[in-house]
Amino acid sequence: DAKTTQPTSMDCAEGRAANLPCNHSTISGNEYVYWYRQIHSQGPQYIIHGLKNNETNEMASLIITEDRKSSTLILPHATLRDTAVYYCIVRSYGGATNKLIFGTGTLLAVQP
Amino acid sequence: NAGVTQTPKFRVLKTGQSMTLLCAQDMNHEYMYWYRQDPGMGLRLIHYSVGEGTTAKGEVPDGYNVSRLKKQNFLLGLESAAPSQTSVYFCASSYLLGPSEQYFGPGTRLTVT
Repeated sequence: DAKTTQPTSMDCAEGRAANLPCNHSTISGNEYVYWYRQIHSQGPQYIIHGLKNNETNEMASLIITEDRKSSTLILPHATLRDTAVYYCIVRSYGGATNKLIFGTGTLLAVQP
Repeated sequence: NAGVTQTPKFRVLKTGQSMTLLCAQDMNHEYMYWYRQDPGMGLRLIHYSVGEGTTAKGEVPDGYNVSRLKKQNFLLGLESAAPSQTSVYFCASSYLLGPSEQYFGPGTRLTVT
């Protein structure tokens, strides 16, 4: 599975959009981009995933560049409850494990 | 629908003691996983299971054993606990097919003194 690079931390003002970048320059054609987040002391929570096209759900939007070497997770209107560590994970599916490889993620601090 | 539950939530062990952590899911998922998370680090996969009666090693399996006797349960055992196993343990489950997401439990905080 391809490795990812994320900033260690970011700040965002409450009510503004939070844009979290992720670099995955070694991604291969059958690998998806996944985003999870972990609010302090809780289990990780799935946010969104995508392969090539941009994706949107009730929580966030995922923008993947055309060459798929980087992506951005967008929380359109950040709230204090969005303060968490956000993990960008790249992995293929259909293999024997479906396992996730977590890095250290980005700590997003939403400021009032 | 409780999702993924873990028992116990907290535990303190002395070095050399044994214990079993229980994970249960009610979503009929095929895959189940055990991770550990140390302070300031991401999650690391200990063991996983792709179905009832099957288990496999992850990134950091040493010192742990697992069993999947029933589809809905995945047990993590520590035969002889060591201080290096002080960590927060998370269980997760997912569907078999497709790029499906993993659902995580609330975690078990284990301290080995």
